[in-house]
Amino acid sequence: QQPVQSPQAVILREGEDAVINCSSSKALYSVHWYRQKHGEAPVFLMILLKGGEQKGHEKISASFNEKKQQSSLYLTASQLSYSGTYFCGTLGGSYIPTFGRGTSLIVHP
Amino acid sequence: DVKVTQSSRYLVKRTGEKVFLECVQDMDHENMFWYRQDPGLGLRLIYFSYDVKMKEKGDIPEGYSVSREKKERFSLILESASTNQTSMYLCASTPTQRGLYYGYTFGSGTRLTVV
Repeated sequence: QQPVQSPQAVILREGEDAVINCSSSKALYSVHWYRQKHGEAPVFLMILLKGGEQKGHEKISASFNEKKQQSSLYLTASQLSYSGTYFCGTLGGSYIPTFGRGTSLIVHP
Repeated sequence: DVKVTQSSRYLVKRTGEKVFLECVQDMDHENMFWYRQDPGLGLRLIYFSYDVKMKEKGDIPEGYSVSREKKERFSLILESASTNQTSMYLCASTPTQRGLYYGYTFGSGTRLTVV
C-alpha cells in the first residue's frame, strides 16, 4: 500500500526550513528518501532502518518512528539546489520499497 | 559511481508496436527493477529481477514482460503498445538484500509516447 506524503507541495525562500512527512498504514522496517530534479533520475538521499535512527546528508536529515509508521525529512536553511520532488519509499513485509506520490519543493531566491 | 544506463531518452511508437526498453548497469548488482512514473501517481513497480533469468511481477505488470539474460542487462517489453502506456519509464538497480539496506540507483529514464 502506497505511503502518504504530506504536504504535496512546498514553496520556500532560500534559508527557510521545511519538513516533509511520510506515513504508512503498515508496519515498517526501513524507509528510503530520494530527490528528483526535473527531467533527471531520482537520486538516493538516505535510508533509515528500524530503531528510530536519525540520519543526515548535508543540511538534510530524517527521522524514522517505526511505532507510528512515519518518517520525516528535514531540510534546514534551504538552498536553491534543494528544489525538486522528494519521494519516500517504505519497506514493510516486502523487500521492495513502495514509493509515495512525491512532494514538490520549490525554493525561491 | 554506479551507473544505470537506459538506451533511449525519448521514444515515439505507434499503437500495436512491440517496444523494447533497455537498461544496463555496471556495478554487478543482483537486483534490477522497472518502474513507470506518471504525474500525481509517483513510482509504480512493473517488474523486478533478483537474478539472471529470474523475474517477478510488481504492482502493474499487465501489458508488459521482461527479459534478463545477463546480469547487467534488464529489458522491458511492451508486447503491443497502447496509448495508456505513454509514460516515463525508470530502471533501477541495487545490490543484494534488495531494498532493506541499500538505496536504489536509477537511470535517467525513457519517456515513451505511444500514438
